[in-house]
Amino acid sequence: QSALTQPASVSGSPGQSITISCTGTSSDVGGYNYVSWYQLHPGKAPKLMIYDVSNRPSGVSNRFSGSKSGNTASLTISGLQAEDEADYYCSSYSSSTTLDVIFGGGTRLTVL
Amino acid sequence: QLQLVESGGGLVKPGGSLRLSCAASGFTFSDYYIGWIRQAPGKGLEWVSHISSRSFYTNYADSVKGRFTISRDNAKNSLYLQMNRLRAEDTAVYYCARDRGGNDPRRAFDIWGQGTMVTVSS
Repeated sequence: QSALTQPASVSGSPGQSITISCTGTSSDVGGYNYVSWYQLHPGKAPKLMIYDVSNRPSGVSNRFSGSKSGNTASLTISGLQAEDEADYYCSSYSSSTTLDVIFGGGTRLTVL
Repeated sequence: QLQLVESGGGLVKPGGSLRLSCAASGFTFSDYYIGWIRQAPGKGLEWVSHISSRSFYTNYADSVKGRFTISRDNAKNSLYLQMNRLRAEDTAVYYCARDRGGNDPRRAFDIWGQGTMVTVSS
């Protein structure tokens, strides 16, 4: 089964908002509310930013928000800051027989 | 402090074996599903395996099924990944990660280790 589909890169200026999409199928993103988003900075452990489509863990800035429509989930970052520059991955539970958790291919966010 | 610390990575020849360990601290380890997730150089994240809190349930990605075995020792707050018949494509940083759902896995990993590098090369 292929990875969830994310744009390879997005960019924005400080203070702007950006949205990263994550497209799957009815066997994963569309069928369950188990969509998560992770932030990866080089050399650091991944950080959970959103779980269950739209919930933020304690300590995550409210500038990060998640949503879902059909087979596509989205991560929106408002008020972009330099420290937001990182790789972002979505993931979802999958009812596929080959995978339990499926990740997206990752999106590199550049803050201009 | 909630923490996971992996160890056991290294260089191994194709066909060889390696055992990864993950030590947990700062939370009740036996209450949570725990998983292994890897990232090959220049590639994205890939779920490898996970295990239920009392080891009743395990699951594996097709790419490692039959070669890798996940296990845990709740008395030692430790998770393991026995990797056999290693291939070049298994080269990656291996992370252990806690599923935040406890005994009701949400497939959302809220605590991650720093990772341990596994290189499979002759």
